Amino acid sequence: EAAVTQSPRNKVAVTGGKVTLSCNQTNNHNNMYWYRQDTGHGLRLIHYSYGAGSTEKGDIPDGYKASRPSQENFSLILELATPSQTSVYFCASGDVGASGDTQYFGPGTRLLVL
Amino acid sequence: TQTVSQSDAHVTVFEGDSVELRCNYSYGGSIYLSWYIQHHGHGLQFLLKYYSGNPVVQGVNGFEAEFSKSDSSFHLRKASVHWSDSAVYFCAVRQSSGSWQLIFGSGTQLTVMP
Repeated sequence: EAAVTQSPRNKVAVTGGKVTLSCNQTNNHNNMYWYRQDTGHGLRLIHYSYGAGSTEKGDIPDGYKASRPSQENFSLILELATPSQTSVYFCASGDVGASGDTQYFGPGTRLLVL
Repeated sequence: TQTVSQSDAHVTVFEGDSVELRCNYSYGGSIYLSWYIQHHGHGLQFLLKYYSGNPVVQGVNGFEAEFSKSDSSFHLRKASVHWSDSAVYFCAVRQSSGSWQLIFGSGTQLTVMP
């Protein structure tokens, strides 16, 4: 069974503080993704990665950085957190094959920026 | 720019009823289409996908979806729902070339009444 874990599961941060969200996958997938989920917006892609050492901007990258130090780990970094970044963040892993890309999601991190 | 539209934000049915959750997309060329389910407080889980071949695809737990190129649709159906099917359902489209991003619809909340 595919396994994607996220930490922390819940986080309260102050405006201007630094926040790091971590994601680990044991699927040996090349691709990893960070999304945020807000009511009325569905899931929006923040950053993604094709493999260790690579990061790419998604649809809403402003205010976020990403790091992929290894095949298994993909972090999302908020250098200066703002209240507008209060959201639920999901990490996913997947591989592109001939029949398409199935993504496996983590349980999510609920972030509150005060 | 491809888009995915889920016209129904909420659908309520009774246990044992059939249900159809609608998904329409706008994109030219070959595409991958998929459905994901999200139970409250959890990450998304893959249900089924279509790339080519038989336009009716079977998924887990009795779900199926039918691709229609003429209608630009990929509706999800289940013949007899159970209370445990209550969840949010997301339709997603992925480009078959270039970026490997999934574009998600805004989701449909399915509530199954006992």
